[in-house]
Amino acid sequence: DVKVTQSSRYLVKRTGEKVFLECVQDMDHENMFWYRQDPGLGLRLIYFSYDVKMKEKGDIPEGYSVSREKKERFSLILESASTNQTSMYLCASSPMAGGAARDTQYFGPGTRLTVL
Amino acid sequence: LAKTTQPISMDSYEGQEVNITCSHNNIATNDYITWYQQFPSQGPRFIIQGYKTKVTNEVASLFIPADRKSSTLSLPRVSLSDTAVYYCLVVGGYSSASKIIFGSGTRLSIRP
Repeated sequence: DVKVTQSSRYLVKRTGEKVFLECVQDMDHENMFWYRQDPGLGLRLIYFSYDVKMKEKGDIPEGYSVSREKKERFSLILESASTNQTSMYLCASSPMAGGAARDTQYFGPGTRLTVL
Repeated sequence: LAKTTQPISMDSYEGQEVNITCSHNNIATNDYITWYQQFPSQGPRFIIQGYKTKVTNEVASLFIPADRKSSTLSLPRVSLSDTAVYYCLVVGGYSSASKIIFGSGTRLSIRP
C-alpha cells in the first residue's frame, strides 16, 4: 500500500511566522504535489515536483515555496504566514516519470493549518 | 483543459444505486476521465479512470457515451460509508500533472 504521510494533522501558527509542512512518501514515486483545500473552492494546486530539485508552479504559488532535496520528501514553506493561508493542506504523490496528468495520485491525510 | 460540471450535492438511501453525472463538453481527443472520492478529514482517493464506453472495478463503474461529452459514475448498492465528496476530472493523456483541476466535487449523502 502506498503511504503518504504529513508531519502534522493540526498546526496553529502566528502571522509572520515561517511555517514548514513536511510530506514523505514511501513508494519511490517520481512526482509530488502540494494542494490547499478551502470550502467551495475544491483542491487547488500550489506546487508540483517531478524530480529531486525540480518544481513547477501550480495555480496558486504566491506566498509559498517548496523544497525537494530527496525523492521521498517534499516540503511546503510559508515564508511569512498570513491569515489568508489558513486552510487544509494536502500532499500527494504519483508514480510515473514525466508527471503525466492521468497518473493516479495518492494523497496524505492533510494538515489543517490555522494562522492567527 | 476541459471544464467539468457536476451536481453540488446528492442524497440517496442505503442499498440504492447512485449515479453521478459529470458534463465535459470540451473534452479533447487525448483526455481521460478520472474520479476521486474524499471522505471527511482524509485526502482524496482514486476510484476509477476511463477513456470510452464502460469501465468497471470492485468499487464502481464508469459509463462514457460515444461523444464523450459526459460521463456517469455508478456506485452499486451504496452504504452509509459511501458518504463522501466525489470529484470528476478530465485530464490530458500528455498534459503535465500541474494542469489538473479538481473543482468543487459532488457531496453525496447516504441515509439509512
